[in-house]
Amino acid sequence: EVHLVESGGSVVRPGGSLRLSCVVSGFTFDDHGMSWVRQAPGKGLEWVSGINWSADDTGYADSVKARFTISRDNAKNSLHLQMNSLRAEDTALYYCVRNKDGSYEQALDVWGQGTMVTVSS
Amino acid sequence: DIQMTQSPSSLSASVGERITITCQASQDISDYLNWYQQKPGKAPRLLIYDASNLAIGVSSRFSASGSRTEFTFTISSLQPEDTATYYCQQFETLSTFGGGTKVEIK
Repeated sequence: EVHLVESGGSVVRPGGSLRLSCVVSGFTFDDHGMSWVRQAPGKGLEWVSGINWSADDTGYADSVKARFTISRDNAKNSLHLQMNSLRAEDTALYYCVRNKDGSYEQALDVWGQGTMVTVSS
Repeated sequence: DIQMTQSPSSLSASVGERITITCQASQDISDYLNWYQQKPGKAPRLLIYDASNLAIGVSSRFSASGSRTEFTFTISSLQPEDTATYYCQQFETLSTFGGGTKVEIK
């Protein structure tokens, strides 16, 4: 069975940093691109960032560009999101999501349960 | 950036009724369009990929069509378990979601 388990969410002050992680199982990790999608409380979905299977292609939403960095470790079946210079508007549930094939510009076919990030003073 | 405009933002319909949601892209995205269902307190679920292809295990009550800038999503016979918020998503350039359509039973 396919599993994506996020961790690392917490309460952090504005301007602070946080590193989210996602460990996957049940499928061949390096066959798939991976993405992070977030959802602010009571709001819609926002794609945050994606990385292709080999980690040589990444993409970011304008709202997080230059502040967030996505990475993956195919040997450890893990995906990460380094978040710097956090703002109140980054407060959201962050989902780790599998892309349907090796690209991150693809359908999002398996979702984790999310990890909550709260940016507040 | 590609913007996705989804309408309506909410709708209420009776069991058995046919409902349609539209999604408009700010530029040509070919068929790089997916549809998702999100039930309260749950992660989203992929329903339709590449504009018109049903994902594995998804009921044939759901269908979708469209290309370039205009897309539609249809539930042929609304059921109580279809109560959810539905989102379109483009992946022609990076990715963008529509604002969502909340579907309720009348």
